[in-house]
Amino acid sequence: DAMVIQNPRYQVTQFGKPVTLSCSQTLNHNVMYWYQQKSSQAPKLLFHYYDKDFNNEADTPDNFQSRRPNTSFCFLDIRSPGLGDAAMYLCATSSPPNEQFFGPGTRLTVL
Amino acid sequence: AQSVSQHNHHVILSEAASLELGCNYSYGGTVNLFWYVQYPGQHLQLLLKYFSGDPLVKGIKGFEAEFIKSKFSFNLRKPSVQWSDTAEYFCAVRNTDKLIFGTGTRLQVFP
Repeated sequence: DAMVIQNPRYQVTQFGKPVTLSCSQTLNHNVMYWYQQKSSQAPKLLFHYYDKDFNNEADTPDNFQSRRPNTSFCFLDIRSPGLGDAAMYLCATSSPPNEQFFGPGTRLTVL
Repeated sequence: AQSVSQHNHHVILSEAASLELGCNYSYGGTVNLFWYVQYPGQHLQLLLKYFSGDPLVKGIKGFEAEFIKSKFSFNLRKPSVQWSDTAEYFCAVRNTDKLIFGTGTRLQVFP
């Protein structure tokens, strides 16, 4: 089945230690998104790629970066995680204007 | 800017009760509307979507939603809920290639 895959599902890091989350897709969608979701809240868009064009949300901290080396893969880099960055990180893909397809998420714990 | 309001933050029902979750959006032009569901510990899944045509949209698992343009609403309904419908429900509106999510409604269904 075509899908959105996120690795790892659970990530534990130390305060200030860089971490990278990965997302891959087999849907061949041209847009990939990264969201942050905290408990019982709506997903908050961090940024998205339309093909190779990077689109950052105005309120996304500089601590968050992203890379998209090819159509299938997208990475979220958190350069210096703080306690407030502990959350579920969701990757999604779409072929606009159609709906977004979400991955299972990576739960990040910051110690 | 577009926004989405979900007025019911937490809904508690008994099995077989009828469900209606409110969703209002703030955009007067052509809209694409979505309802997503997030079951405990699972990823966001599309329940249904509205792009154009029949304003009464049927989705998966017996859910439906009605687009009422004059009221800027897209309420989600189900005639008889089941315990397995316990989940978080998010309404969303498309804004170019992004989704604007509502704050979500937590539904608890008791046997």
